[in-house]
Amino acid sequence: RKEVEQDPGPFNVPEGATVAFNCTYSNSASQSFFWYRQDCRKEPKLLMSVYSSGNEDGRFTAQLNRASQYISLLIRDSKLSDSATYLCVVKSSGGYQKVTFGTGTKLQVIP
Amino acid sequence: NAGVTQTPKFRVLKTGQSMTLLCAQDMNHEYMYWYRQDPGMGLRLIHYSVGEGTTAKGEVPDGYNVSRLKKQNFLLGLESAAPSQTSVYFCASSYSWGRSSYNEQFFGPGTRLTVL
Repeated sequence: RKEVEQDPGPFNVPEGATVAFNCTYSNSASQSFFWYRQDCRKEPKLLMSVYSSGNEDGRFTAQLNRASQYISLLIRDSKLSDSATYLCVVKSSGGYQKVTFGTGTKLQVIP
Repeated sequence: NAGVTQTPKFRVLKTGQSMTLLCAQDMNHEYMYWYRQDPGMGLRLIHYSVGEGTTAKGEVPDGYNVSRLKKQNFLLGLESAAPSQTSVYFCASSYSWGRSSYNEQFFGPGTRLTVL
């Protein structure tokens, strides 16, 4: 089983729609969780951290479910500019502060 | 500030050739990293550095060497390129990697390398 798993998509949604992605992780000792955004042929950029209590940043909401070992990203009122690949990132505890990137979920927002 | 820059942006090599990828950052970050990104594999850490003069192996270090002679630069070398090293290479940097916190990794624009 991969350490971090994501549905590769693509998720094709119309403008204005709400879309949600999940990401599962296998290491129960994982400490910290993040969502990065990567545009086509560009570098990844941090979108938001994921806190235990859940957090919101404008149209974006991130949730953590430690019991089921997954994190989620909800995007409301999708914009064309949201089209990108969303990478789930998990930081594990231990002597080596390992950061594992998921393979990403591709979102295409359609006019 | 330029952030993280990478040189070159594109390169085509023949099997057995060598090359060096240069990464530079102007944010005074202690930590620097080299990743490769392949379809369906996600970003995989090749080598990283926790400060000037230090380097350490990541997840997929074989076939690569690195050096961090100056704090702002992190070089990735391929001594004898192989087709399996065809990939997109990203450099990243961050402040100190605290045990109880995560410092955002800032990525460079990437180098697209093809080995024939």
